[in-house]
Amino acid sequence: GAVVSQHPSRVICKSGTSVKIECRSLDFQATTMFWYRQFPKQSLMLMATSNEGSKATYEQGVEKDKFLINHASLTLSTLTVTSAHPEDSSFYICSAPGTGPYEQYFGPGTRLTVT
Amino acid sequence: AQSVTQLGSHVSVSEGALVLLRCNYSSSVPPYLFWYVQYPNQGLQLLLKYTSAATLVKGINGFEAEFKKSETSFHLTKPSAHMSDAAEYFCAVSDTGNNRLAFGKGNQVVVIP
Repeated sequence: GAVVSQHPSRVICKSGTSVKIECRSLDFQATTMFWYRQFPKQSLMLMATSNEGSKATYEQGVEKDKFLINHASLTLSTLTVTSAHPEDSSFYICSAPGTGPYEQYFGPGTRLTVT
Repeated sequence: AQSVTQLGSHVSVSEGALVLLRCNYSSSVPPYLFWYVQYPNQGLQLLLKYTSAATLVKGINGFEAEFKKSETSFHLTKPSAHMSDAAEYFCAVSDTGNNRLAFGKGNQVVVIP
């Protein structure tokens, strides 16, 4: 099946710095990708929809200036957490729709820890 | 807006016993329903999905789920639990098939030898 990768798998950064997370569709093209965050022992919350060639669509309550999304190509979307704070520590997961109906492929996730 | 409810965050089951995870949905239109499994520090893997075809859906690893409109439910079952079934399970709904998913809170399944 289709593969979605994320890089890095784990990152530790200091408070106030920015960190970029990459999401790639390895063997298919994705005009849309989704970004989720997952707090420990909790469910996935959709943060935003990344659209190739246009602005991302953010869910209510998600700060677009803090979570910058760039869908640079048909296989790459990036999420940049700007001026990170400890409360941004979370597991960030991306996904991309597949070619079949109702298919969606998830990346392995990125564990962000802000110290 | 669509939503799903999963009760009981932790579910313990003996090896070889029935696995039953409950999911109830809320949707103003006919829903598309999904069950995903997540192993520690990994992304989600699709177990099975309901997309308005057969109400009894069979998935991978011996899991199946039945869509019951009258009960607004989509419970996940497996007749005999295996140690490798220990993981987090999420029910999700999409009411327009547009791939925007709303997830339940998940069930952490523990399999007791």
